[in-house]
Amino acid sequence: NAGVTQTPKFQVLKTGQSMTLQCAQDMNHEYMSWYRQDPGMGLRLIHYSVGAGITDQGEVPNGYNVSRSTTEDFPLRLLSAAPSQTSVYFCASSYATNEKLFFGSGTQLSVL
Amino acid sequence: AQSVTQPDIHITVSEGASLELRCNYSYGATPYLFWYVQSPGQGLQLLLKYFSGDTLVQGIKGFEAEFKRSQSSFNLRKPSVHWSDAAEYFCAVGRSGYSTLTFGKGTMLLVSP
Repeated sequence: NAGVTQTPKFQVLKTGQSMTLQCAQDMNHEYMSWYRQDPGMGLRLIHYSVGAGITDQGEVPNGYNVSRSTTEDFPLRLLSAAPSQTSVYFCASSYATNEKLFFGSGTQLSVL
Repeated sequence: AQSVTQPDIHITVSEGASLELRCNYSYGATPYLFWYVQSPGQGLQLLLKYFSGDTLVQGIKGFEAEFKRSQSSFNLRKPSVHWSDAAEYFCAVGRSGYSTLTFGKGTMLLVSP
């Protein structure tokens, strides 16, 4: 059982480039979410999904897009990367509301 | 909106000494409260969770937390710290009916020999 898998683990982008951070879970969880972690800021919610076809914005959604076409996958897209998006990104899933979040191991992104 | 405050950015504890990490939350209703731990370069692991019932919650790795509604606090404790407990600890609050969490800014625990 792999849990929550994030790829890539590390990525360097130039300002203005686009990319997709991948997140997949094999636990049949309906709820998935993306957080970014910055030093001294804790984790902040970017976008979340309550099931296939349903997404919503979190605390810091600007500059990011998401879609949820399957239960398993929840990719995060950066359309035009900016240095302010340099961060560690975590994907999480859960089987119900108000239950434990299962986290991936993170993607460390640097935007130059 | 809900919020979480972890007043201590860093704490240093001697190995074998007791530990208390502070967490204060703001939420209008009964909160769902969590403590997570993050080792360097790793994802987050759940230590314990509280919603209702006994206000003293037992978690993994010998940790416990006490919910005090009057103080809006959910402090994490451990009687005897081990070197392997050195990590960053996050308190988080969840809204009823939601799967997402609001995290505090974290407390980095350093364990001295």
